[in-house]
Amino acid sequence: DTAVSQTPKYLVTQMGNDKSIKCEQNLGHDTMYWYKQDSKKFLKIMFSYNNKELIINETVPNRFSPKSPDKAHLNLHINSLELGDSAVYFCASSQADRYSYEQYFGPGTRLTVT
Amino acid sequence: AQSVTQLGSHVSVSEGALVLLRCNYSSSVPPYLFWYVQYPNQGLQLLLKYTTGATLVKGINGFEAEFKKSETSFHLTKPSAHMSDAAEYFCAVSDSPQAGTALIFGKGTTLSVSS
Repeated sequence: DTAVSQTPKYLVTQMGNDKSIKCEQNLGHDTMYWYKQDSKKFLKIMFSYNNKELIINETVPNRFSPKSPDKAHLNLHINSLELGDSAVYFCASSQADRYSYEQYFGPGTRLTVT
Repeated sequence: AQSVTQLGSHVSVSEGALVLLRCNYSSSVPPYLFWYVQYPNQGLQLLLKYTTGATLVKGINGFEAEFKKSETSFHLTKPSAHMSDAAEYFCAVSDSPQAGTALIFGKGTTLSVSS
């Protein structure tokens, strides 16, 4: 019954590899996000999608590519991984109607690049 | 541009003591304000939010916060701390309910509770 789920929870990989993180929400929301939490726990938006359309694309290296096959899924693909990509990546979703503005977060994916 | 400042990266209280976590924001438009809690190795959970209306908002686990426009503040309080409140707390601001608008987070405050 998890509202926002991410797989995998932990991801350890070597520099130069390509990896993907999957996110799914069963809340019926129409908007999804990716946030990055660095080693100092600072959270910053990377991307947001509304109805499969890219809304926000912050200053993120183009090695990062989000893909939204449908409203319930937003996956994050990362090419040519670098040491600096090590972080916790959070997926979130929301439904921007009149009464609800909060974002619901997944459990996070801890990416470690060695 | 919006920003959030959380005063005090680490707050320590005794069990049963008042919890006060400070948050000040900067926004050019009426803000939407949030407090999230993050327990170790977990995702973020919404504690409470202010959008419009009553400036004193109550959240889960006995927490509340008051929106003070004149002070651009949204401090989080709890009358009596419990050991289970030990966690990381994030204040966040958004300037629009429009779909896809990002939350701008503060740098977080670690709350420690001692017995």
